Amino acid sequence: DQQVKQNSPSLSVQEGRISILNCDYTNSMFDYFLWYKKYPAEGPTFLISISSIKDKNEDGRFTVFLNKSAKHLSLHIVPSQPGDSAVYFCAASAPDSGSRLTFGEGTQLTVNP
Amino acid sequence: NAGVTQTPKFRILKIGQSMTLQCTQDMNHNYMYWYRQDPGMGLKLIYYSVGAGITDKGEVPNGYNVSRSTTEDFPLRLELAAPSQTSVYFCASSFPGGKETQYFGPGTRLLVL
Repeated sequence: DQQVKQNSPSLSVQEGRISILNCDYTNSMFDYFLWYKKYPAEGPTFLISISSIKDKNEDGRFTVFLNKSAKHLSLHIVPSQPGDSAVYFCAASAPDSGSRLTFGEGTQLTVNP
Repeated sequence: NAGVTQTPKFRILKIGQSMTLQCTQDMNHNYMYWYRQDPGMGLKLIYYSVGAGITDKGEVPNGYNVSRSTTEDFPLRLELAAPSQTSVYFCASSFPGGKETQYFGPGTRLLVL
């Protein structure tokens, strides 16, 4: 039972354009969502997060949007840069899960110069 | 401050062999985690620990064991390696609090033949 799903295994965009990565979840108890970025041969690194009491969180070029009614979140990267090319994982946690996270499958983003 | 370190980086095991994946963190984090990542899949939690002497199973614990004798170290033991355990293993740590960011090590790539 995949509670967090990233339906697009890959995404390719041109440098300078917007990248939109999507994530859907099924567990209505999830109240905190995170995005991690992973380069090859490295561990994931935290990128941005959002609490369920918000619908948007922004950090520089990165913005995460949360639509609780649709159980959907998205990560926007504007403008996209070649250095953003990586795998992006969506993750979620519930109040009763302590600090445990449930991860999506990941989306490989490629930003072309 | 090295963060989370993992050894070895890469290992080939024969079916039935055993090995220990080492994980050490120097951030004084109480919480530590072991994940595995299979191709095209997200990170699956194997075991986690909320402090020295306390461990608990995650989603996919079968075939693995852990111990936590110190705050810094959280080794993962594979007994009787099987081809299904071929994966990339990530260790992570975080402060307690439920919504704290997890910091990941660089991973150990394991191939069981």
